[in-house]
Amino acid sequence: AQTVTQSQPEMSVQEAETVTLSCTYDTSENNYYLFWYKQPPSRQMILVIRQEAYKQQNATENRFSVNFQKAAKSFSLKISDSQLGDTAMYFCAFMKQRTGTASKLTFGTGTRLQVTL
Amino acid sequence: DVKVTQSSRYLVKRTGEKVFLECVQDMDHENMFWYRQDPGLGLRLIYFSYDVKMKEKGDIPEGYSVSREKKERFSLILESASTNQTSMYLCASSLGGTGSQETQYFGPGTRLLVL
Repeated sequence: AQTVTQSQPEMSVQEAETVTLSCTYDTSENNYYLFWYKQPPSRQMILVIRQEAYKQQNATENRFSVNFQKAAKSFSLKISDSQLGDTAMYFCAFMKQRTGTASKLTFGTGTRLQVTL
Repeated sequence: DVKVTQSSRYLVKRTGEKVFLECVQDMDHENMFWYRQDPGLGLRLIYFSYDVKMKEKGDIPEGYSVSREKKERFSLILESASTNQTSMYLCASSLGGTGSQETQYFGPGTRLLVL
């Protein structure tokens, strides 16, 4: 079974600064996907960024980028130029490549990020 | 854009009541999922469905059942609600297939309180 660990329950960053959220995972699979999801207060969970394990290049989406270290089983999220709207709970999630019916997500426990003025 | 909707944002029920949570997606997705979200535990998969009338248990199916009579609609049923089922319930869907088609899209959630 896969496990996902987010060791930082809460973090705080000042507006315009850079923050990195950590995530480690444990799996014996070779082909899989990793995700970061964002859940703003009282709002819908949305996908931030997605990484395929077979790709060596780190995924980026505007101000969001990841540092994917496959050998170390580490998948951190870097948010540059933090904005107040980045305040949210962030979840790291693992999905192994589909075999059979449907691919399932395994989530970490989340990191609550507060962006301050 | 993918749209996943859930029938209620907030729900209050009594112990022993039968509770239905409804989820609808409008993108012809094959797969639909029900999670519960609890502080300090993240999201845990209850059940999922990979086709109409097809379902599989997730990690915590006890006390729940599901129904998928139409492709766009996936219902979570609490046969006899208990206080330990007080939680946030999230529905998700994915297109199915491989690669980016497996990305899951989430509904707004239903916060259920069982008294």
